[in-house]
Amino acid sequence: EAGVVQSPRYKIIEKKQPVAFWCNPISGHNTLYWYRQNLGQGPELLIRYENEEAVDDSQLPKDRFSAERLKGVDSTLKIQPAELGDSAVYLCASSLVGQGLSYGYTFGSGTRLTVV
Amino acid sequence: DAKTTQPTSMDCAEGRAANLPCNHSTISGNEYVYWYRQIHSQGPQYIIHGLKNNETNEMASLIITEDRKSSTLILPHATLRDTAVYYCIVREANAGNMLTFGGGTRLMVKP
Repeated sequence: EAGVVQSPRYKIIEKKQPVAFWCNPISGHNTLYWYRQNLGQGPELLIRYENEEAVDDSQLPKDRFSAERLKGVDSTLKIQPAELGDSAVYLCASSLVGQGLSYGYTFGSGTRLTVV
Repeated sequence: DAKTTQPTSMDCAEGRAANLPCNHSTISGNEYVYWYRQIHSQGPQYIIHGLKNNETNEMASLIITEDRKSSTLILPHATLRDTAVYYCIVREANAGNMLTFGGGTRLMVKP
C-alpha cells in the first residue's frame, strides 16, 4: 500500500505567487484532512472533507486559501497569493469513518513550503 | 477535546526504556488517549491508543492511571530511530474524527 501520497515534497516560491499542493489518500478512506505545521509546533487542522464535502473549514484562511476534493478521492490545497507567513509544512491525512468512528488515521510526509 | 500537558523534551540512553508522561486531568469518560510520533521530515505516525486498560503492541506500551488523569507511553528498548516528537492526544472517538495536536515531547535517544 502506498499510503497517503503528497506532492511536491518541497516548494520554494516568491511572495505573492500562487502555489498548489496535491494529496492522494489511502484507497477507500472517505475522510481527508489538511493540516499546517509551523516550525517547532504541532500540526493544526485547516480543513476536513467527508467524501467530496468540506465539513469543517473554520480554520482555513479563506481570503487566500482554497481547497477542493473532486470525486471524493484526491485533493488540492491552493494558496493565492502566498505570504511570507505561509512558510510551513502542509500535511494531508486520511481516515475511514463509519458509524461515527474513525479508523486508520494516516498522514502523508507533507509538503514543505518556503516563501521568500 | 481535553487538553494534555507533556514535557517539552526528554533524553534517553539507547537500549534503555523511554517513559514519556502525559497529563490529561480534564479527560472525560468517553475520550480515548492516543499517542503519535513524528520523526524528522515525516508526517505523524500512529503508535497506540487506549481508553481505560493498559495497552501493548509491537511498538510500545500505554499505561493509563486508574483515574485516567495521566498516562505514560513506554518504549521498552529505545533505539536511535525512536528519536522523534511524541504527541499525546485525547479525543472522543466520534468528535468530528479530528486529531488536535499540542506541542509534544521531543525525545532524543543518545548512544
